[in-house]
Amino acid sequence: QVQLVQSGAEVKKPGASVKVSCKASEYTFTSYYLHWVRQAPGQGLEWMGVINPRGGNTIYAQKFQDRLTVTRDTSTTTLYMEMSSLRYEDTAVYYCAGVMSDAFDLWGQGTMVTVSS
Amino acid sequence: SYELTQPLSVSVALGQTASITCGGNNFGRKNVHWYQQKPGQAPVLVIFRDGNRPSGIPERFSGSNSGNTATLTISRAQAGDEADYYCQVWDGSSGIFGGGTKLTVL
Repeated sequence: QVQLVQSGAEVKKPGASVKVSCKASEYTFTSYYLHWVRQAPGQGLEWMGVINPRGGNTIYAQKFQDRLTVTRDTSTTTLYMEMSSLRYEDTAVYYCAGVMSDAFDLWGQGTMVTVSS
Repeated sequence: SYELTQPLSVSVALGQTASITCGGNNFGRKNVHWYQQKPGQAPVLVIFRDGNRPSGIPERFSGSNSGNTATLTISRAQAGDEADYYCQVWDGSSGIFGGGTKLTVL
């Protein structure tokens, strides 16, 4: 079954970094662009960035340019999202999502990241 | 930056038709996608490229895009359709989401 499975919930202090993983299975990992989308509690969806799994090229939303790093490991078909200098307002559910038909066809289950002192 | 505008909430009587709009500039040049999100769950794609349904999505869900407004239509609304709905377009390689609409089935 084609799926994206994310790592578990994280609790971090302000100023720390977090790294979330997203493992892809049952499809050719390099075939589809992979994105990160987040959702703060009670809020809407916010696009963060994208990676081309084939070449590793990335594009980030401007507001995350200096704090976000998206990488991938083709040998383990795993996508990563690392955010540094965490703030309270980064508390959110973080989703990885794959684009196959020009839309976000495939979603991970989400990873809750809580920033708390 | 490109912005999408959705109503905060829409209500529909059980069995009737609900329409959720999404406004943006020069929509005619962009493909609009729609997602359904139920509490505690990841979003699910229900319409892609304006009016196409992924496999497994009921025919009750349809979409259109004309001028500066895209519309998601849900016919014969069921209690299970109660959810948040988001429209989405691409601005270059960046994904842009509408603010979301909460659909209530009365």
